[in-house]
Amino acid sequence: DSGVTQTPKHLITATGQRVTLRCSPRSGDLSVYWYQQSLDQGLQFLIQYYNGEERAKGNILERFSAQQFPDLHSELNLSSLELGDSALYFCASSVVGERDEQYFGPGTRLTVT
Amino acid sequence: GENVEQHPSTLSVQEGDSAVIKCTYSDSASNYFPWYKQELGKGPQLIIDIRSNVGEKKDQRIAVTLNKTAKHFSLHITETQPEDSAVYFCAARESSGGSYIPTFGRGTSLIVHP
Repeated sequence: DSGVTQTPKHLITATGQRVTLRCSPRSGDLSVYWYQQSLDQGLQFLIQYYNGEERAKGNILERFSAQQFPDLHSELNLSSLELGDSALYFCASSVVGERDEQYFGPGTRLTVT
Repeated sequence: GENVEQHPSTLSVQEGDSAVIKCTYSDSASNYFPWYKQELGKGPQLIIDIRSNVGEKKDQRIAVTLNKTAKHFSLHITETQPEDSAVYFCAARESSGGSYIPTFGRGTSLIVHP
């Protein structure tokens, strides 16, 4: 167990809908990263937050957004969902400093029908 | 940006054999190279990492080697066991502006036959 929690574990929704994925980082970690994992694209970085502020952006679609709250948990919002958004979404956390290994949560499997 | 190539995509070995997974990277500024193990239905788990000031690092049956000149690094698993069966990912990262964002390889599916 990495100490990173994600909810829900599974999510099934229809095209055009909006969903919210939640992540709680390890105790003491200030930084949260979101990744999308699909069979054809591998593990793709979406966005990073550090202590409530956006720090880096990757291949995140405009239909997707995220935020990190004062208690350091983070939410990833996916809207106007398309079939191609079906994937595993992982959250990772790290301290961000000299010891900055990333620890991944168990993921949320999103299925868009 | 960084590009990480990982080979092979699938590796099948007999229990007790050694397994080697190789990765190459493109950005000479990369200085941190973690390896992750992902079991079915779980998130990637950090198993070992190496930094650019070190050429080799071992942790029990797992070792990682780094050749900065050639820009490649490898994961070595000795005395493989069925529970080593999983997908393994390599990654490379530079410390740029404090973002610490790794680029991952496409993964290697390791199958250890009893």
